[in-house]
Amino acid sequence: DQQVKQNSPSLSVQEGRISILNCDYTNSMFDYFLWYKKYPAEGPTFLISISSIKDKNEDGRFTVFLNKSAKHLSLHIVPSQPGDSAVYFCAASESNFGNEKLTFGTGTRLTIIP
Amino acid sequence: EPEVTQTPSHQVTQMGQEVILRCVPISNHLYFYWYRQILGQKVEFLVSFYNNEISEKSEIFDDQFSVERPDGSNFTLKIRSTKLEDSAMYFCASRPASGRIYEQYFGPGTRLTVT
Repeated sequence: DQQVKQNSPSLSVQEGRISILNCDYTNSMFDYFLWYKKYPAEGPTFLISISSIKDKNEDGRFTVFLNKSAKHLSLHIVPSQPGDSAVYFCAASESNFGNEKLTFGTGTRLTIIP
Repeated sequence: EPEVTQTPSHQVTQMGQEVILRCVPISNHLYFYWYRQILGQKVEFLVSFYNNEISEKSEIFDDQFSVERPDGSNFTLKIRSTKLEDSAMYFCASRPASGRIYEQYFGPGTRLTVT
């Protein structure tokens, strides 16, 4: 039951270029989406989020785009830096009261090549 | 900066044994969670806990699992009789009362190996 899918297990990008990580979802009840970053031996760290009432949210080098009709979101990192090398998880939630669950994708390992 | 801590970092146990994984959430947080990640798979929600009771749990969280906040600072996950398939990284998370769900702060995880 893969409600959140990240179809690229890995991605390599040259330093300074744009990294684009993709995520698809199937549950139309999801209305809040998040990206987490994870380094080895650490827990996931919140990066950026977007509500379904928006189609774009930007925070510094990070921008998340949401296409509700396609049930697709993407994370853009520009310019990419070596410290961005990590596993990136897309997550989604139905933000109704009492629902605390985050549903994660399988992750994409991003490697930034110096 | 405050952080969620988890102990031990690695736990090895024999099948059928009980294990307790410990977490110390951030001190002013009121919502607590356990997630797990089987090697190579996605992070999966197990349970959420608020006001000394479970607020939501997944189908994974069966009668073998229990959670407790025994002393106002620790938050524990107990597995009564471990199975091989319980081998995974277990993450604790917490968030403040006023935060949106994105404000879930994760600990570094406990790697549980069942042999």
